[in-house]
Amino acid sequence: QEQLVQSGAEVKKPGASVKVSCKASGYTFTSFDINWVRQATGQGLEWMGWMNPYSGYTDYAQKFQDRVTMTRNTSTSTAYMELSSLRSEDTAVYYCARGPVAGEPFYYMDVWGKGTTVTVSS
Amino acid sequence: DIQMTQSPSSLSASVGDRVTITCRASQTISSYLNWYRQKPGQAPKLLIYAASSLQNGVPSRFSGSGSGTDFTLTISSLQPEDFAGYYCQQSYSTPYTFGQGTKLEIK
Repeated sequence: QEQLVQSGAEVKKPGASVKVSCKASGYTFTSFDINWVRQATGQGLEWMGWMNPYSGYTDYAQKFQDRVTMTRNTSTSTAYMELSSLRSEDTAVYYCARGPVAGEPFYYMDVWGKGTTVTVSS
Repeated sequence: DIQMTQSPSSLSASVGDRVTITCRASQTISSYLNWYRQKPGQAPKLLIYAASSLQNGVPSRFSGSGSGTDFTLTISSLQPEDFAGYYCQQSYSTPYTFGQGTKLEIK
């Protein structure tokens, strides 16, 4: 079935970078966008940006523009999200989520990874 | 950025109750509104997209309505698995912002 499998938990020091992976299976990876959403403990959902796996085009939320990079490897159907200059406020669960098929008039996220916990601590 | 405001922030109800959650956008978003349910420790699950379209496999007790700036999610008869968090999200323009969430608790 269609699924997104994310990499394991990470512990990083302030100022470091983290790279989270998201491997797609059960569907054509290049036909659907990949979004990244994060959630701090006990807090709400925060959309970080999306990437088109076919073209590599990205659209980042302004808040993360200077620190986030979304990439992909089409040969392994894997998307990546790298966040740099980490600070304690970046401690959160990071989710990848699939956008709709190309041409769909409405945008939504219908398949989600289980999340990757990133802890930033000295 | 478009701000999304949900109400209430928390809600107590019983199994079998009918409940409604409201979401308001800071500007018109047509019908570009999605609803998600998130159980504790799990990823969000898409319930409703395009304001009123039921996602495949989602029970018919869930329904959505609204357009422009005001939207509602209604659960017609609460089941035990519905006691969870609910989030609206606008997909009219990026950044695709979420509401702050509504926590639905057992009375």
